[in-house]
Amino acid sequence: GEDVEQSLFLSVREGDSSVINCTYTDSSSTYLYWYKQEPGAGLQLLTYIFSNMDMKQDQRLTVLLNKKDKHLSLRIADTQTGDSAIYFCAEVGGGSYIPTFGRGTSLIVHP
Amino acid sequence: DTGVSQDPRHKITKRGQNVTFRCDPISEHNRLYWYRQTLGQGPEFLTYFQNEAQLEKSRLLSDRFSAERPKGSFSTLEIQRTEQGDSAMYLCASLADSYEQYFGPGTRLTVT
Repeated sequence: GEDVEQSLFLSVREGDSSVINCTYTDSSSTYLYWYKQEPGAGLQLLTYIFSNMDMKQDQRLTVLLNKKDKHLSLRIADTQTGDSAIYFCAEVGGGSYIPTFGRGTSLIVHP
Repeated sequence: DTGVSQDPRHKITKRGQNVTFRCDPISEHNRLYWYRQTLGQGPEFLTYFQNEAQLEKSRLLSDRFSAERPKGSFSTLEIQRTEQGDSAMYLCASLADSYEQYFGPGTRLTVT
């Protein structure tokens, strides 16, 4: 089946930018999501991007998509302690309505 | 609308018992999904509905699991003869005709 990979941990200092990376294998991917999950909670939709786009910006969040390399990234500008959470990447393949999620990247923001 | 809600939030049951979870999606969201999430993993797809029709089920979903969405609004997920391996967070999500899939807070199941 299709696979989505993420590095497990990222540690940054408050005020710096964070970049969370994701790779996927589905060449027919049509759109991709970024979600945030805080302890004991459900997933919060941050943003999504269509596979025919290269970039999407939403306030402090910038999503970059390299379809050739099947690489997705989420940049968080001016990272705050409240951004500490697990971030999930998910992709949806062509003809499907079912997202495949990565294992999540745990972002730790320290003062 | 307050978003997707799930009930109960926590359930502790003994092995062999049946459990049922409920999900109330956002109003007018025609698609509803169930996922299972274990520690250190992302959500794993179980099944999804378009209105009242169950359109797809994961091959990982054993015969002990059944889901319904009788009137195209709320949904229930039942697990029969629970096993310790069923311990997980069960997540529900819904979306309309857009691409914005919204998750509920989840039901944490512990099988002892």
